[in-house]
Amino acid sequence: GQNIDQPTEMTATEGAIVQINCTYQTSGFNGLFWYQQHAGEAPTFLSYNVLDGLEEKGRFSSFLSRSKGYSYLLLKELQMKDSASYLCAVRRSDSWGKLQFGAGTQVVVTP
Amino acid sequence: DAGITQSPRHKVTETGTPVTLRCHQTENHRYMYWYRQDPGHGLRLIHYSYGVKDTDKGEVSDGYSVSRSKTEDFLLTLESATSSQTSVYFCAILGEEDTQYFGPGTRLTVL
Repeated sequence: GQNIDQPTEMTATEGAIVQINCTYQTSGFNGLFWYQQHAGEAPTFLSYNVLDGLEEKGRFSSFLSRSKGYSYLLLKELQMKDSASYLCAVRRSDSWGKLQFGAGTQVVVTP
Repeated sequence: DAGITQSPRHKVTETGTPVTLRCHQTENHRYMYWYRQDPGHGLRLIHYSYGVKDTDKGEVSDGYSVSRSKTEDFLLTLESATSSQTSVYFCAILGEEDTQYFGPGTRLTVL
């Protein structure tokens, strides 16, 4: 099975930086995904890491260390619209594309 | 937008009644998934499909069945709804770069 852990909630100020950590334990790792989900809406894809290192997409970056079973999502220059839940998900190599999700981290951006 | 729709978007039903949720996609994706989302649990996989008439169970399949008689439609059936099945249900497809994209969700309340 897989254990995926991420903090329940984080609060940060508009314009600041927030780092959301995700740790996982799995065999046959084949990628880690980050999704954003606003209240009452569907999850939307943010980023994907399969190799170690940092992937940057505008204000959002995602990092992966496979040896440590660790990833983080970095949100820079926070905006009020970034208030949402951020979901970490792991894919295994034998999984028909299936994902195992963490419970999500609620990010609250304050003025 | 991966061309995914779900119907109904909201439903209230009574314990013991059968319920069918529909996921429809317009882009001929082979893999489709049904998840439920509950507070504190994140997204949990119910069933998935890897082709027409090819389906398999996920981690929380008890009380649910699925059917896929054509590529574009993936149906989730609750044979006899229970209050524990009150949840938000999301359908997903496996799209570009083996990334899952989600439909808008169905909010189901079982009284």
